Amino acid sequence: DAKTTQPPSMDCAEGRAANLPCNHSTISGNEYVYWYRQIHSQGPQYIIHGLKNNETNEMASLIITEDRKSSTLILPHATLRDTAVYYCIVRVYGVGNEKLTFGTGTRLTIIP
Amino acid sequence: GAGVSQTPSNKVTEKGKYVELRCDPISGHTALYWYRQSLGQGPEFLIYFQGTGAADDSGLPNDRFFAVRPEGSVSTLKIQRTERGDSAVYLCASSLEGGRYEQYFGPGTRLTVT
Repeated sequence: DAKTTQPPSMDCAEGRAANLPCNHSTISGNEYVYWYRQIHSQGPQYIIHGLKNNETNEMASLIITEDRKSSTLILPHATLRDTAVYYCIVRVYGVGNEKLTFGTGTRLTIIP
Repeated sequence: GAGVSQTPSNKVTEKGKYVELRCDPISGHTALYWYRQSLGQGPEFLIYFQGTGAADDSGLPNDRFFAVRPEGSVSTLKIQRTERGDSAVYLCASSLEGGRYEQYFGPGTRLTVT
């Protein structure tokens, strides 16, 4: 799986949009971008994934650049409960490569 | 519905002892994963089951670690002759099948080897 690079930490004011960047310059054509987050003392939680089109669900939006070398996770109206470590993971889609390879992620702190 | 559960939530053992960690996946999920997380690091893959069989055990660090899933549901991670370096949070996850389906994680078991 391709390697990802994320800033170690970020702050965001409560109620504002949190934009978390991820660089994956060596991504290959069959690799998806996944985002998970881990709130303190809990297991990781799936947020969203995408291949090349922008994706949105009830939790977040995922913006992938046209060349697919980077992406941004957007939490549109951050709350204190969004304070967590966010992991960007690149993963081959489909059977035969089931494991998730986590980096050290971005520690997002929402400021009241 | 019920999520992934893990027991115990905390386990303290002495160096050299044997431990078993249990994972109850979400009902109907055929895929089950074990990860290990050390302080300040992201989770590290250990083993993946599809049904009863271990489809990928490439992450097990050595032969002291073993996992089973005899009936395709509950799984047990077994660690023999524990060492202080085994201290970590052990996470279990399950998914509907392997491949593209998202993994749902349990709260983890914090293992401390003294």
